[in-house]
Amino acid sequence: EVQLLASGGGLVQPGGSLRLSCAASGFTFGSFALSWVRQVPGRGLEWVSAISGSGVGPLYADSVKGRFTISRDSSTNTLYLQMNSLRAQDTALYFCAKGGTSSPRYYFDNWGQGTLVTVSS
Amino acid sequence: SYVLTQPPSVSVAPGKTATIACGGDNIRNKRVHWYQQKPGQAPVLVIYYDSDRPSGIPDRFSGSNSGNTASLTISGVEAGDEADYYCQVWDTSTDHQVFGGGTKLTVL
Repeated sequence: EVQLLASGGGLVQPGGSLRLSCAASGFTFGSFALSWVRQVPGRGLEWVSAISGSGVGPLYADSVKGRFTISRDSSTNTLYLQMNSLRAQDTALYFCAKGGTSSPRYYFDNWGQGTLVTVSS
Repeated sequence: SYVLTQPPSVSVAPGKTATIACGGDNIRNKRVHWYQQKPGQAPVLVIYYDSDRPSGIPDRFSGSNSGNTASLTISGVEAGDEADYYCQVWDTSTDHQVFGGGTKLTVL
């Protein structure tokens, strides 16, 4: 059974940093792309970032490019999102999602439960 | 950037058929995926590659894609189908994933 356990969310001040983690299990980690998708409570889904199964060519939404960095560690089967220069608009529930292929350009076939990030002074 | 347009809400009586549209410029040239999200839960993939169903998804769920509109159809709607539904595509021009704004399905 695929499991994606996101953690690392919390309350942070504007301009601050936070690192999200997503522990993955139940599948061959290096064979599938992984992504972060966020959702403001009561609002729609917004794609944030994606990384291929091999870890090359990370991709970012324009709203986070230059501030967020996605990475993956095959030794611990963990996906990360380093978030710097956080803004109030980054407040959301952050989901990690597994791709259906090694490319990040397709669908998400499994989602974690999400971790809440609140940016406020 | 590529925009996907969904109606904010769709209502249907139990046992009837619900159709949720997802509009986009020449969307027929893209592969469309659909997700169901119930309150307080993570999204669940219900249709991928326009019309394929993941294992475990009832065959009451089907998808199509033509022209400028992709559609998710739920036949024999049940109370448990009440949820938000999102369409999603890959925008090749920006190398970004794109989600529609979501449609709230209400079962009357």
